Amino acid sequence: KQEVTQIPAALSVPEGENLVLNCSFTDSAIYNLQWFRQDPGKGLTSLLLIQSSQREQTSGRLNASLDKSSGRSTLYIAASQPGDSATYLCAVRGGNDYKLSFGAGTTVTVRA
Amino acid sequence: KAGVTQTPRYLIKTRGQQVTLSCSPISGHRSVSWYQQTPGQGLQFLFEYFSETQRNKGNFPGRFSGRQFSNSRSEMNVSTLELGDSALYLCASSPREGGDTQYFGPGTRLTVL
Repeated sequence: KQEVTQIPAALSVPEGENLVLNCSFTDSAIYNLQWFRQDPGKGLTSLLLIQSSQREQTSGRLNASLDKSSGRSTLYIAASQPGDSATYLCAVRGGNDYKLSFGAGTTVTVRA
Repeated sequence: KAGVTQTPRYLIKTRGQQVTLSCSPISGHRSVSWYQQTPGQGLQFLFEYFSETQRNKGNFPGRFSGRQFSNSRSEMNVSTLELGDSALYLCASSPREGGDTQYFGPGTRLTVL
């Protein structure tokens, strides 16, 4: 069974600092990995999707890397803003069963 | 394009009752997945439907069921509600089956008393 871990569980940084969020998974046989953002009481917003054959994806201030062999992904958010405050979730889609397994998330607070 | 819509947004039920939640995917999307989110267990996959067929299922008891209609709209049903079924139920749609980017709705908040 795929286990997805996100460390740290919470993070507080001053505005302008770069954010580094970590995700690890136990089964390297993945189809893809997706990063989401969730605001309190709301649904999830897709940020980046990395296919298993890719090493990274970029969108604006966001960059996500994937090291399948070591079971790790990192989400970088450059020059953080108060509007980046949210919970960030990592989700791994299994390469065999195609089920999506989520981490518990990292709750980010960006202080103005 | 309109996003994924879920109805109702909030629901209060008592133990033993049953409930039906509805999800309308983004126009043109044929795959619908359902998830349960609780503070203790986090986000857990319930099931995925594509072309009216259940393609994948998570580890939930048979009290949880779902279906998909020919217009891709989906419903999930929970029978004999338990207190532990209180959760945010999220629906997500994607254009194709399997590994596409998933687009989530706002969720239905179910409270079981």
